[in-house]
Amino acid sequence: TQLLEQSPQFLSIQEGENLTVYCNSSSVFSSLQWYRQEPGEGPVLLVTVVTGGEVKKLKRLTFQFGDARKDSSLHITAAQPGDTGLYLCAGAQGGSEKLVFGKGMKLTVNP
Amino acid sequence: EAGVAQSPRYKIIEKRQSVAFWCNPISGHATLYWYQQILGQGPKLLIQFQNNGVVDDSQLPKDRFSAERLKGVDSTLKIQPAKLEDSAVYLCASSLYSSYNEQFFGPGTRLTVL
Repeated sequence: TQLLEQSPQFLSIQEGENLTVYCNSSSVFSSLQWYRQEPGEGPVLLVTVVTGGEVKKLKRLTFQFGDARKDSSLHITAAQPGDTGLYLCAGAQGGSEKLVFGKGMKLTVNP
Repeated sequence: EAGVAQSPRYKIIEKRQSVAFWCNPISGHATLYWYQQILGQGPKLLIQFQNNGVVDDSQLPKDRFSAERLKGVDSTLKIQPAKLEDSAVYLCASSLYSSYNEQFFGPGTRLTVL
């Protein structure tokens, strides 16, 4: 059973399009993180959201944490080829704040 | 600042053989993590060290996997004997004090078991 479900799992779009990635769970998390991973590299942290309903913006990326702290979304405006990669969400649980990762969303932005 | 270093980057072995991976975390980082990332999946935590003590190894298959972090710096992860399903990328990460701090990941070791 996957604790964190990400959708869609794959997305191929043209440069300039907008997209939204969803990360859903039935569990409550103390915080949720979004990472981007490129082939042959480890994940790189993009953002951490902590408060229910929180919205954070990072240039063309907008992250939202659900009010109940069970889900999150990532919206990319005017996608560019440099946005290509695997986008992973990870929730922190328990006293040790162990990270549980979703399967990821593989994004390809074509020029 | 140097990042997390891992070696080797790639390893191909046959099933039932042994293999070891090495990780050098960012200098001064107390917490070190080993993750397993199977193709098409997100990383799964295998073991977490704080300095040289184990914080969480609940998902480490202890019958074949072992890890140590001598002197609270470098770490090695060993698989003995390897199975086909161990084929994956093994990621090492470190954070300054604990899981509450940002984790920085190394490039990983891609293991193929034939």
